[in-house]
Amino acid sequence: TQLLEQSPQFLSIQEGENLTVYCNSSSVFSSLQWYRQEPGEGPVLLVTVVTGGEVKKLKRLTFQFGDARKDSSLHITAAQPGDTGLYLCARRSNYQLIWGAGTKLIIKP
Amino acid sequence: DTAVSQTPKYLVTQMGNDKSIKCEQNLGHDTMYWYKQDSKKFLKIMFSYNNKELIINETVPNRFSPKSPDKAHLNLHINSLELGDSAVYFCASSQAAGVGDTQYFGPGTRLTVL
Repeated sequence: TQLLEQSPQFLSIQEGENLTVYCNSSSVFSSLQWYRQEPGEGPVLLVTVVTGGEVKKLKRLTFQFGDARKDSSLHITAAQPGDTGLYLCARRSNYQLIWGAGTKLIIKP
Repeated sequence: DTAVSQTPKYLVTQMGNDKSIKCEQNLGHDTMYWYKQDSKKFLKIMFSYNNKELIINETVPNRFSPKSPDKAHLNLHINSLELGDSAVYFCASSQAAGVGDTQYFGPGTRLTVL
């Protein structure tokens, strides 16, 4: 199984701070997806990155795909309580998604 | 309208019972999935159907049996429930099973086995 490792597992910060979470693998992957899961709900897709070195922005969220396509990062600027949730990365393998264990993010007002 | 719906939202039952969880998607997607999310929030694929045909069947006890009466529905039946089956079960769908396809998740069914 080609695992995805996410770090940190848990992060609790104050509103207004910046943060970065990571998704790493020892294998090259063709694409990577980031999802956010809020309590009591299913994961919702935020972004798909495909090209090595690619950077995508979604308001205050910046997603980067490593040049070697083995890692990805999610940077949040000026975090808000509404960003609270479980952030999951996932890669495709043989008609299914392989998921990381997630980073649980709490933004305190 | 809800894109992917699951019923029930909560399910509390005794060990040894048989129960079913229903899933429906109104997105016109060809592929549907069942996931189990344990207490550590790890999402594990259980089954996937494409146009009513099973394409993924991970190492899941045969007490779990998926049924897809049509491509908009994928139900999960569980026999002889065990304590370790307690988890949140998510249904999801995607247009196809190809690279980069977005998966749309239902709200989850929290199963508690006593």
